[in-house]
Amino acid sequence: DADVTQTPRNRITKTGKRIMLECSQTKGHDRMYWYRQDPGLGLRLIYYSFDVKDINKGEISDGYSVSRQAQAKFSLSLESAIPNQTALYFCATSETSQWGNQPQHFGDGTRLSIL
Amino acid sequence: AQTVTQSQPEMSVQEAETVTLSCTYDTSESDYYLFWYKQPPSRQMILVIRQEAYKQQNATENRFSVNFQKAAKSFSLKISDSQLGDAAMYFCAYRSYTGNQFYFGTGTSLTVIP
Repeated sequence: DADVTQTPRNRITKTGKRIMLECSQTKGHDRMYWYRQDPGLGLRLIYYSFDVKDINKGEISDGYSVSRQAQAKFSLSLESAIPNQTALYFCATSETSQWGNQPQHFGDGTRLSIL
Repeated sequence: AQTVTQSQPEMSVQEAETVTLSCTYDTSESDYYLFWYKQPPSRQMILVIRQEAYKQQNATENRFSVNFQKAAKSFSLKISDSQLGDAAMYFCAYRSYTGNQFYFGTGTSLTVIP
């Protein structure tokens, strides 16, 4: 089983719908992140969380919200989806360490298309 | 925020040859960490190699090595003996020593020609 699991893998929906993307992890990491990937733009950070009570906005948080239901679960919501939120979304985790060389571990991504 | 620049949107290499992907970054910090990730068509993000800025020795992982030039703020990835399975998008990433975030470049798409 994957260490970082994202559901759904693919989703097509309509403008104005509420969408929730889910992420769960078995790595025991405290830190969790949500990114979106667009062609030519790389990965951009939407939100991140360092524990259940800690939520922080990233570079592009407008139009998104998150919930950290447990250490292992971090969900991303689009309250009213719009076409320019069509993208590949990644959840990632990393270990809390005094050494910053801990990499991020990614899920397999959710491809979201908004019509 | 730190910026990471990958100036080569696309690269190609003949199978068994060597290719170098470039990455530069902008920072005022002295301690930080750099990473290369590979994203094959399956879209997984796979860690290829990492480098600590305080280490002068360039990191190596099998056929993958880096050329880390701290003064020039450059972190290039060299892939030796390229294989068809190396075809992917490659992302360079930066993380400060005490930072909370990773900063990614825009990626380089590598094609391996048989």
